[in-house]
Amino acid sequence: DAKTTQPPSMDCAEGRAANLPCNHSTISGNEYVYWYRQIHSQGPQYIIHGLKNNETNEMASLIITEDRKSSTLILPHATLRDTAVYYCIVSSTDSWGKFQFGAGTQVVVTP
Amino acid sequence: EAQVTQNPRYLITVTGKKLTVTCSQNMNHEYMSWYRQDPGLGLRQIYYSMNVEVTDKGDVPEGYKVSRKEKRNFPLILESPSPNQTSLYFCASSLTGPSGNTIYFGEGSWLTVV
Repeated sequence: DAKTTQPPSMDCAEGRAANLPCNHSTISGNEYVYWYRQIHSQGPQYIIHGLKNNETNEMASLIITEDRKSSTLILPHATLRDTAVYYCIVSSTDSWGKFQFGAGTQVVVTP
Repeated sequence: EAQVTQNPRYLITVTGKKLTVTCSQNMNHEYMSWYRQDPGLGLRQIYYSMNVEVTDKGDVPEGYKVSRKEKRNFPLILESPSPNQTSLYFCASSLTGPSGNTIYFGEGSWLTVV
């Protein structure tokens, strides 16, 4: 299984872009990169996922390096409501049903 | 509206009294899963099910049972709850599994075992 490494915390100013890094150096060719966030103790909320190409949706952009060993989640204009724990997860091909969360990055958006 | 519904949302129970936390999804998803979340330990997967009658252990299955008799429901059973099972529990579902599909989570069930 590929594991991920994220910084434990980051601050971001409201209105600025937030760039959240994730390392997944042991990722396999058919393993997806997912991003979720969790606000307080609510259920994790899906943000975006990708395999090789960069992806964008209404919430964020996902930039995956060419060697796929790292990725960056970009929140283009952070708001106070984006304060949350952000999780970078790599899907498992060893066991198709496993989906393992790491410690995540606590993002605090400040006024 | 696509939903993963868990019940109960809050429960206080006593050690040894069997309980079931229900999970239901309305999206015709094949894949469902249970997690628990504890301070300092994060979200850990308990069990998952790739389809009806197909279940498998996650990372922390001890003390739990599951069943998948129909596609929409995936109950989590605690046959003899103990205080170390006090936790916040989440159910999740996706179309065919975590590889390339969006996984939807329920709102959580707070369980306290005294």
